[in-house]
Amino acid sequence: DQQVKQNSPSLSVQEGRISILNCDYTNSMFDYFLWYKKYPAEGPTFLISISSIKDKNEDGRFTVFLNKSAKHLSLHIVPSQPGDSAVYFCAARDLGTGANSKLTFGKGITLSVRP
Amino acid sequence: DVKVTQSSRYLVKRTGEKVFLECVQDMDHENMFWYRQDPGLGLRLIYFSYDVKMKEKGDIPEGYSVSREKKERFSLILESASTNQTSMYLCASSLPGAKNIQYFGAGTRLSVL
Repeated sequence: DQQVKQNSPSLSVQEGRISILNCDYTNSMFDYFLWYKKYPAEGPTFLISISSIKDKNEDGRFTVFLNKSAKHLSLHIVPSQPGDSAVYFCAARDLGTGANSKLTFGKGITLSVRP
Repeated sequence: DVKVTQSSRYLVKRTGEKVFLECVQDMDHENMFWYRQDPGLGLRLIYFSYDVKMKEKGDIPEGYSVSREKKERFSLILESASTNQTSMYLCASSLPGAKNIQYFGAGTRLSVL
């Protein structure tokens, strides 16, 4: 059973427009959520995170929104740039498995930003 | 900056060979992880370790083992490589605690022929 779902495998947007990447989860014990970005032939790099006690976290062009009642989070990139073209992974931590708990990753979304 | 180094970027091995994938981190992180990434399947956790000589199975441990003799080094072992283990392997490390941000190496692309 997939606890972190990124249902859209790909997204294409025009440069300068907003990119919205969605992520849904099923485990109500998830208390911390992260987004990672991955370029081909490189490892994922941490992008932004949000705690379950918040509903929004912003860092420059990147904003993550969390809707706990809907078990849904989204990553907004404004404005989108060609260099943002990458695979984006949503990940979640299960509070119930302790402070050193592992992350559960979604399958990833491939974002393409057209010049 | 945190640095996680995986010893090989590309490896080609034969079916049945014993394969070692090495990972070293330089930030004194307690936690280390091995994942594999496959198209359409995302990142799947193979094994992780919270301390030296400690290991925990992840979601797909079958066909793999690990070794952590020193804090900075975490090795993934394929006891008898099979073609379905052809994949991108990613190592990560993190500090314990609430933030739990994992830092990844560049990955090892393993092909088993």
